[in-house]
Amino acid sequence: ELKVEQNPLFLSMQEGKNYTIYCNYSTTSDRLYWYRQDPGKSLESLFVLLSNGAVKQEGRLMASLDTKARLSTLHITAAVHDLSATYFCAVVSGTYKYIFGTGTRLKVLA
Amino acid sequence: DTAVSQTPKYLVTQMGNDKSIKCEQNLGHDTMYWYKQDSKKFLKIMFSYNNKELIINETVPNRFSPKSPDKAHLNLHINSLELGDSAVYFCASSHGVAGFQFFGPGTRLTVL
Repeated sequence: ELKVEQNPLFLSMQEGKNYTIYCNYSTTSDRLYWYRQDPGKSLESLFVLLSNGAVKQEGRLMASLDTKARLSTLHITAAVHDLSATYFCAVVSGTYKYIFGTGTRLKVLA
Repeated sequence: DTAVSQTPKYLVTQMGNDKSIKCEQNLGHDTMYWYKQDSKKFLKIMFSYNNKELIINETVPNRFSPKSPDKAHLNLHINSLELGDSAVYFCASSHGVAGFQFFGPGTRLTVL
C-alpha cells in the first residue's frame, strides 16, 4: 500500500531563512499535491506536480518532483511569519485515492 | 460565493446517536470526497464519488454511509456514534483526474 512520509514533522525557523520540507512516497504515482492548512481552518491547495522534474513556484514557495526518487520538496525562501501553517503533501494511488503525508507544522519566528 | 460548503460546522452529540453532515459544491466538479482528520492532524480519505457513483470506500466502519443525491451534493450519515468518531470531517471536490481538490470548511464532531 502507498505510504507517504514527510519530514520534518515540526519546523521552527527564523524569518528571512530558507528551508526545505521533504515528502517521500513508497510506490509509483503520477500526481503529487501540496496543501496548506492554517490552525482551525480548512486545507488550501498550493501546487500539483504531474511529471518528473516538474517545478512550480508561488511567492516564497517552490515545489519540485523527482518521480524516480519518489521525492518531492517544498522549498521556502526568506520565510515570513505569514507562512506559519501546516503543510501537507498528498500522492494519488490509482485515480482518485489521495494519500496524505503526516504534515509538517511550520512556525516562522519574528 | 462559497465553493464547497458543509453543515453543520460543529456537532456535539452523545454516544449511540445518529447524525448527518451535508456537503454541497457549486464548482461544477464531478468528484467529491469525505476525509477524516484526527486529533493529530492526520488526514485519511474515507469515500469518493465520481458522477454520483461510489469509487473509493476505504476501511471505514459500516456505521458510516455516504450518499450522493446529485453531483453537487455528498452527505455523510453516521449511525451509533462512538467516542473514536470524534474528529474533523472535511468534504472536498475536484474536476477530472488531475485537478486541484477544493476543501470545505470542515465539521468538528465531538462525541461525548
